[in-house]
Amino acid sequence: EAQVTQNPRYLITVTGKKLTVTCSQNMNHEYMSWYRQDPGLGLRQIYYSMNVEVTDKGDVPEGYKVSRKEKRNFPLILESPSPNQTSLYFCASSLTGWRNQPQHFGDGTRLSIL
Amino acid sequence: EDKVVQSPLSLVVHEGDTVTLNCSYEVTNFRSLLWYKQEKKAPTFLFMLTSSGIEKKSGRLSSILDKKELSSILNITATQTGDSAIYLCAVEGNTGNQFYFGTGTSLTVIP
Repeated sequence: EAQVTQNPRYLITVTGKKLTVTCSQNMNHEYMSWYRQDPGLGLRQIYYSMNVEVTDKGDVPEGYKVSRKEKRNFPLILESPSPNQTSLYFCASSLTGWRNQPQHFGDGTRLSIL
Repeated sequence: EDKVVQSPLSLVVHEGDTVTLNCSYEVTNFRSLLWYKQEKKAPTFLFMLTSSGIEKKSGRLSSILDKKELSSILNITATQTGDSAIYLCAVEGNTGNQFYFGTGTSLTVIP
């Protein structure tokens, strides 16, 4: 089944403790992206990747890192999480990063930083 | 600043009603506009509208892009309780790799 898989689905942790949210897609998609969703603010793009070893900042990249060493994986890293990063996170992928390609979303990861 | 604005924020209707959801945008180098439906989990894709495809229809759902007014509408006719969800509008712009989402319209359809 074609899908975008995120792990973990839920995580409660404390300020400053490094964490990684994994994202994997099995559709051989070139384009992958991370979003956070907050009430009243909608989905905001954190980082995106056009292909292996190519990553770019989205609208809200501060406090996050990503890497794209393999086509299928696009982990989101919070080196020193803070409470303002408590949010619902979505990973998405599409066939290419060029126009006219809808994105497929993972089921989301709910992070709570205490 | 690039932005996408959706209205209304929230809507409650009875089954069988017709609803119209609005999306307006100010995005540099517009590429496409997409509508998604979000129930409990991941947003699922509904439509993509571009300069070469300004009108789409699927069953009871239809959408139109007005490039002059920088806006789009999503129509749902004969609403059902299963249509209850948050409807998200996203615009692809700038370099073609960035997406800007509105805050969504929460639709509740009551029997």
